[in-house]
This record gives sequence, C-alpha cells and structure tokens, in this order.
Amino acid sequence: SQQGEEDPQALSIQEGENATMNCSYKTSINNLQWYRQNSGRGLVHLILIRSNEREKHSGRLRVTLDTSKKSSSLLITASRAADTASYFCADTSGTYKYIFGTGTRLKVLA
Amino acid sequence: DTAVSQTPKYLVTQMGNDKSIKCEQNLGHDTMYWYKQDSKKFLKIMFSYNNKELIINETVPNRFSPKSPDKAHLNLHINSLELGDSAVYFCASSRQGERNIQYFGAGTRLSVL
Repeated sequence: SQQGEEDPQALSIQEGENATMNCSYKTSINNLQWYRQNSGRGLVHLILIRSNEREKHSGRLRVTLDTSKKSSSLLITASRAADTASYFCADTSGTYKYIFGTGTRLKVLA
Repeated sequence: DTAVSQTPKYLVTQMGNDKSIKCEQNLGHDTMYWYKQDSKKFLKIMFSYNNKELIINETVPNRFSPKSPDKAHLNLHINSLELGDSAVYFCASSRQGERNIQYFGAGTRLSVL
C-alpha cells in the first residue's frame, strides 16, 4: 500500500498542552504537507515542508522532516479546543499525485 | 465566497442508480481533483485534471467518469451505483506552480442503499 501512516491514530489532551503527531511515508518526496480536517468538512492546508528542509514553523505549528527515516512530525503548541480535528500528512513526489496518510484524530479538552 | 464548492452536500440513492456530483472552483486554478474518503477516513485520489485534460486516473471502476467542461469545473458522474460507493467524495484544486497546495471542497456524503 502506498498509504502513509500517522501515529497516533487518536490523541486526547487538555487545553494548553502540546500535541505531537507523527507521519511516515513510503516513497521519495519533493515535499510533505500537513492538512487539518474538521468534522464534516474538507481538508485545510496547514504547512508545507520541502525535502531539503528539516524544520518549519507557522504560528503554533512546528513541523520537522527526517528524509532518512521517511518521517515527519507536527507539533501544536498551547493547544486550544478549536484545534480538535483530524490531521493528515500528504507526500508528493512532484507529480499531481498526493498520498495522504491515515490521519490522527486530535481531541483537545477544555 | 466559497473557493471550492461541491453540490450536493448529501446524496442518498438506491443501488443501480446513476448520479452526478458537481464541483466548481473560483480560484483560477488549473488543476482539479476528486478524492474518495471511506469510513476509515482513508483519503484516496481518484482523478486529476489539468487544463481540462485527464492526468491522473487511479484504479477506479469505469462506472466513475469525470467530466471537465472548463478549468473551473470538474464533475463526477457515477453509473450503476453500488453499496461500496458509499463514502465522502472531495473535490480539490490547485494552482500551477503552487500545485502542491490543494484547496478542498466541503465534501459530498454519498449513501447508497
């Protein structure tokens, strides 16, 4: 299967805590992206990290990429109830084809 | 204004029927996609069109036929619907040069009874 995998599949934390989720992929990539999906909605792009980058920040988000391990992590700091959603990574090898992971369901408790 | 809009949002139909889902984007993008998300939340690409030309066609049954009348529209027609077609279908679009960032519609939840 080409499907990437997120880990953990589900994560429940208290508001204010940090949330870390990991993603593994199978092929060589040009870049890797993280998306968020709120319940009943489409995916929203969060952040893109290129294969020659190791870390990237955007607001409360921090993404790392380890191409030797074919893995990436997404850290959400100081989580809020509004961060409750499913988070997906997607890798692309430069074509129009994106391979999405299986997602991590994050629940932030107020 | 909704950037990528799909209609209908919900679709309930009987096995064997033919149905269409419409997608329109007002972002000026040149590439559009259809994805299927199953009950386990696996999101798999089905089709991709660039400038009205089919560029990705995954192993999707030929009962599924995408149609792109222009760059802003990519419709999905499904013939002889089966129970296994029940899923949420997402349309997405991206821009040339920024094609790595996709913008998704809200999804169409298809239930085949």
